[in-house]
Amino acid sequence: NAGVTQTPKFQVLKTGQSMTLQCAQDMNHEYMSWYRQDPGMGLRLIHYSVGAGITDQGEVPNGYNVSRSTTEDFPLRLLSAAPSQTSVYFCASSYSGLAGLGELFFGEGSRLTVL
Amino acid sequence: AQSVTQPDIHITVSEGASLELRCNYSYGATPYLFWYVQSPGQGLQLLLKYFSGDTLVQGIKGFEAEFKRSQSSFNLRKPSVHWSDAAEYFCAVGGKKAAGNKLTFGGGTRVLVKP
Repeated sequence: NAGVTQTPKFQVLKTGQSMTLQCAQDMNHEYMSWYRQDPGMGLRLIHYSVGAGITDQGEVPNGYNVSRSTTEDFPLRLLSAAPSQTSVYFCASSYSGLAGLGELFFGEGSRLTVL
Repeated sequence: AQSVTQPDIHITVSEGASLELRCNYSYGATPYLFWYVQSPGQGLQLLLKYFSGDTLVQGIKGFEAEFKRSQSSFNLRKPSVHWSDAAEYFCAVGGKKAAGNKLTFGGGTRVLVKP
């Protein structure tokens, strides 16, 4: 089983550039989310979605956009990258009924550096 | 607002010795509590969870955790550590889906295992 797949695994951007982090899951999960991980701060929720066509903001949404056109895919867009967005990004998914209960399945992460 | 504190950033333990990782939470209602483990370069994997009932919960890889409501704690333990337990451990608190699907993570504790 592929589970949750994130691409790319590594990316270096210059300030002001845009890019999209891709996330796909093959478990038919309704709930998908994006977290960023920074040293000493754990994981912070950026955006999440409870189904196709539905998205909502998490704790740290500024500078990021998401969309959910299909159940499988949940891309994260950085419109104008800033050094403060240097981080490791994780996509996670769950069955909708369980999402609030935290049984998330995580991808392997995407390490982003903004110069 | 919900929050999680993991007081120990790093813990070093000898192989075969016992391990205890501390977790304190703040949550306005009945909490759902989790421990996740992250091996180097990997995503997060669920170790165990507490929803209700018996306050001592068993998880995978020989880990257990005890919920103490009076102390707002959910400490993770393992009687005998193996070298493969070297990883970063995250405690998390969440609630029911109606609470907004937000899972809040602590800052993590990195465990080093000495031979």
